[in-house]
Amino acid sequence: KQEVTQIPAALSVPEGENLVLNCSFTDSAIYNLQWFRQDPGKGLTSLLLIQSSQREQTSGRLNASLDKSSGRSTLYIAASQPGDSATYLCAVLNFGNEKLTFGTGTRLTIIP
Amino acid sequence: ETGVTQSPTHLIKTRGQQVTLRCSSQSGHNTVSWYQQALGQGPQFIFQYYREEENGRGNFPPRFSGLQFPNYSSELNVNALELDDSALYLCASSLVSSGPTDTQYFGPGTRLTVL
Repeated sequence: KQEVTQIPAALSVPEGENLVLNCSFTDSAIYNLQWFRQDPGKGLTSLLLIQSSQREQTSGRLNASLDKSSGRSTLYIAASQPGDSATYLCAVLNFGNEKLTFGTGTRLTIIP
Repeated sequence: ETGVTQSPTHLIKTRGQQVTLRCSSQSGHNTVSWYQQALGQGPQFIFQYYREEENGRGNFPPRFSGLQFPNYSSELNVNALELDDSALYLCASSLVSSGPTDTQYFGPGTRLTVL
């Protein structure tokens, strides 16, 4: 059974700093891994999707890496802004499985 | 904007009642998945429908049921509501062609409160 863990559960950093969010998963037989952003009470916005054959994906100030053998992914946010404040969720899709398995998220607060 | 819409936005029901939540998928997407997200938790998979047939189910009782229609709309029905059913319900649509589901596009969710 796949289990996804995100540490830390909450993080506060001053504006302008670079930061790293962590995600770990127990079953490395994944098809892809996805990072989402969720604003309070809202739905999920997909940020980056990494296929199992890829090592990283970049979009603007965001960079996600994947180390499938160790069961880890990181989301790097450069030059953080107050608008980056949200909960960030990672989710994995396993081979032979139709469902995304989510972590519990990291609640990020950027302090102006 | 993902092109996935859900209705209603918010809903309040009492214990024991029945509720129907609706989702409109992206045009051309043949798969819809439903997730339940309790406060402070990650979304939990309820079930998935592929071409109008259930294609996998999470650890949810039979009182959670669904339908998918040819016009890219779908429903989640919950009977005999319990207090613990209070959550944000998310639908996600995707296109499954020859392989596993690729990117799932999520709707804004329906917030259900059971009193």
